[in-house]
Amino acid sequence: ETGVTQTPRHLVMGMTNKKSLKCEQHLGHNAMYWYKQSAKKPLELMFVYNFKEQTENNSVPSRFSPECPNSSHLFLHLHTLQPEDSALYLCASRAKVGAGGQETQYFGPGTRLLVL
Amino acid sequence: GDSVTQMEGPVTLSEEAFLTINCTYTATGYPSLFWYVQYPGEGLQLLLKATKADDKGSNKGFEATYRKETTSFHLEKGSVQVSDSAVYFCALSKGDYKLSFGAGTTVTVRA
Repeated sequence: ETGVTQTPRHLVMGMTNKKSLKCEQHLGHNAMYWYKQSAKKPLELMFVYNFKEQTENNSVPSRFSPECPNSSHLFLHLHTLQPEDSALYLCASRAKVGAGGQETQYFGPGTRLLVL
Repeated sequence: GDSVTQMEGPVTLSEEAFLTINCTYTATGYPSLFWYVQYPGEGLQLLLKATKADDKGSNKGFEATYRKETTSFHLEKGSVQVSDSAVYFCALSKGDYKLSFGAGTTVTVRA
């Protein structure tokens, strides 16, 4: 049973559109993640936030812009995407990062994105 | 760097068959090890985990034992069902914020 929700579940957008993906966790966690899952590729870590501070940007193009207004919400703002950005975007959370933090990450169901 | 290698799929089995998915890791120190499962159209779900050598994680009939001597964490289930059809990911954590995932193994169980 997941306490991480993502909206929308499916999104089709043109290359000139601007859209946002939303993630919300109801687990009281303090760390949140964005991953990209493409067909036939390993899961790619994109961004990590710990207590609302960004701690990882894994060389992600600037057309992806994350926002973490509080520990429960995470957004991924999209603009001028390319067809190769079509993928499943997964959000995850964990209790906290750092000493004593539980390592298990809990995932949302993902947003299936298609860029035309 | 830390990495996980798991057997390539796809794996196709008949119902009630025995399933093994091999996973080996490369890491310094003492990582925690995980198996995640992704059912069609869904995100990843934690299946089981082990945090130290010789620990056995188990859930839903699946088991995996943390073997430090062989740096392995193989997933097993004695009798699979159609509902076990999914993609299985092995992963490790060194206690920092990252999980290192394997490439995933697609399992299809036929009735």
